[in-house]
Amino acid sequence: DGGITQSPKYLFRKEGQNVTLSCEQNLNHDAMYWYRQDPGQGLRLIYYSQIVNDFQKGDIAEGYSVSREKKESFPLTVTSAQKNPTAFYLCASSPYAGTFQPQHFGDGTRLSIL
Amino acid sequence: ILNVEQSPQSLHVQEGDSTNFTCSFPSSNFYALHWYRWETAKSPEALFVMTLNGDEKKKGRISATLNTKEGYSYLYIKGSQPEDSATYLCAFIGTNAGGTSYGKLTFGQGTILTVHP
Repeated sequence: DGGITQSPKYLFRKEGQNVTLSCEQNLNHDAMYWYRQDPGQGLRLIYYSQIVNDFQKGDIAEGYSVSREKKESFPLTVTSAQKNPTAFYLCASSPYAGTFQPQHFGDGTRLSIL
Repeated sequence: ILNVEQSPQSLHVQEGDSTNFTCSFPSSNFYALHWYRWETAKSPEALFVMTLNGDEKKKGRISATLNTKEGYSYLYIKGSQPEDSATYLCAFIGTNAGGTSYGKLTFGQGTILTVHP
């Protein structure tokens, strides 16, 4: 089945550590996105990528980094510079950016600080 | 940062009731509005993509309307069932000054619907 796979489902981080959240899609979509959800808030865009080897900051990019070396993969690194990383992270994709097509989402990764 | 508001924040209804909720968004530089349903422990799933003022879309017992001039969309559920219990998200896509959209979604905070048997 085509879809988006996020791993791990749960992730624990010690203070000062970088962690990387995985997002893989087999939908052949050009565009991929990372969102963060905090309680009582809507999904907020962290980074997005319209095409391989290209990505742009979203609304809350500080303390995060991404790469897009392959079409299928868009990993998100939460760095130690992110002061409040505890949240639920969702990855999404769409056929290409600027489209009327809806986004497809993964099941999410919940990150907690130990 | 764009302001997309959903109301109410949560809603409890009895099985068989009809219900509706609202998404408010900027009335300028409109490109599209998405509605998603997000069930617990699942990923958000697209319900509708709405692009034209006056659009009405329907999927089974769920329908949506769009007013881009005044910046709102309504989602209606007729004869609610317990399986309709979920968080309903709307997401606004705008354009830049040149009229180009990059597919960046700005989400509302969601309406949590609970349908009691």
